Amino acid sequence: DFQMTQSPSSLSASVGDRVTITCRASQSIRSYLNWYQQQPGKAPKLLISGASSLQSGVPSRFSGSGSGRDFTLTISGLRPEDFATYYCQQTYSTPLTFGGGTKVEIK
Amino acid sequence: QLQLVQSGAEVKKPGASVRVSCKASGYPFSSYGISWVRQAPGQGLEWMGWISADGSTNYAPNLRGRVTMTTDTSTGTAYMELRSLGSDDTAVYYCARDGLIAAVGTFDYWGQGSLVIVTS
Repeated sequence: DFQMTQSPSSLSASVGDRVTITCRASQSIRSYLNWYQQQPGKAPKLLISGASSLQSGVPSRFSGSGSGRDFTLTISGLRPEDFATYYCQQTYSTPLTFGGGTKVEIK
Repeated sequence: QLQLVQSGAEVKKPGASVRVSCKASGYPFSSYGISWVRQAPGQGLEWMGWISADGSTNYAPNLRGRVTMTTDTSTGTAYMELRSLGSDDTAVYYCARDGLIAAVGTFDYWGQGSLVIVTS
């Protein structure tokens, strides 16, 4: 199985901050990497697929980059609605696997 | 509009089985598959498996033998049955729209989640 390791597991930030979350795969997954946002009590929401393709309707302050083993999700200009937990997911091979999550909290 | 609507919460005893349903609307059910993902309280996301509209399946190895996924194309509904429940199966279970031919894993639409509690 492909193990996905996210860091940090949590972070505190202020509105307007630039936030970067990293995700590392145990082996190369090329660009088969998605990012999801999950608000408390809600289903996850797909933000980015294929490592860097922003989903329709997702604000442009979200961006993704990386390939191979190392990936990043960046939020440029954190807004109040962005405080949530973020998960990376590899789609290179089944079983599909997720990172452990990064909780973005208000400082 | 496109929706995946899941069945309600369940409370089960250890050793029992649970079946969760996921009714799709707003898109051609036969053109997509469904994956199931679960989330234990306070924990991360775990992919359980995938089913195509025509019934082909791909289960996560750790659940193979305990899980069965089925579809009813006449009603546009997918089902997930989990047997021999233990306390570590307590979780919110989600269905999500997935690829038709294989588990692509890009889940653009999700159900609202179904809470399953396993307790004696």
